[in-house]
Amino acid sequence: GQQVMQIPQYQHVQEGEDFTTYCNSSTTLSNIQWYKQRPGGHPVFLIQLVKSGEVKKQKRLTFQFGEAKKNSSLHITATQTTDVGTYFCAGTNTNAGKSTFGDGTTLTVKP
Amino acid sequence: DTGVSQNPRHKITKRGQNVTFRCDPISEHNRLYWYRQTLGQGPEFLTYFQNEAQLEKSRLLSDRFSAERPKGSFSTLEIQRTEQGDSAMYLCASSFEQGVDNQPQHFGDGTRLSIL
Repeated sequence: GQQVMQIPQYQHVQEGEDFTTYCNSSTTLSNIQWYKQRPGGHPVFLIQLVKSGEVKKQKRLTFQFGEAKKNSSLHITATQTTDVGTYFCAGTNTNAGKSTFGDGTTLTVKP
Repeated sequence: DTGVSQNPRHKITKRGQNVTFRCDPISEHNRLYWYRQTLGQGPEFLTYFQNEAQLEKSRLLSDRFSAERPKGSFSTLEIQRTEQGDSAMYLCASSFEQGVDNQPQHFGDGTRLSIL
């Protein structure tokens, strides 16, 4: 079945440093979604990418969808302590079907 | 819009007992998902409904697990003869699907199950 892998599993940064997490799917995706889960919380939707090569920005966050629609990345510029949490990607390989979540990248930010 | 509501928040039970969880989705959402999450892992898909129809069930899910959404609104997830390995956070999510692209899923706070 479909597998979605994320690296790294953990990332520790100093406040102000940049952060990137990568998501790779074993199959071509129709779309990919990114979620953030704070410690003790539930996943919260950040963004969805649908088109090959798509790039979307949300303030300091930049999301990319690969040309082959099998990989994606999330980059945070100048991290802040409010960025701490686990970032998950979730890929769908059939339209309007179920999503497969990666195991996430947990970001810690040292002030 | 009060968000996705799950009850109970915590459930502690002895091995072998049956448990039932409830999820109330966002009212206008037609799709409802159940996931299981353990520490250090992402949400693992269990099953999902489109209105009252259960469209897919994970092959990893044993026959001890059953879910219903009888009127296309709230849903229940039942685990029979619980085992130690069932200990996890059970998350419910809902979305409004009207086209070919998946819509954002809104998650509840989950039910944490602990098997003694």
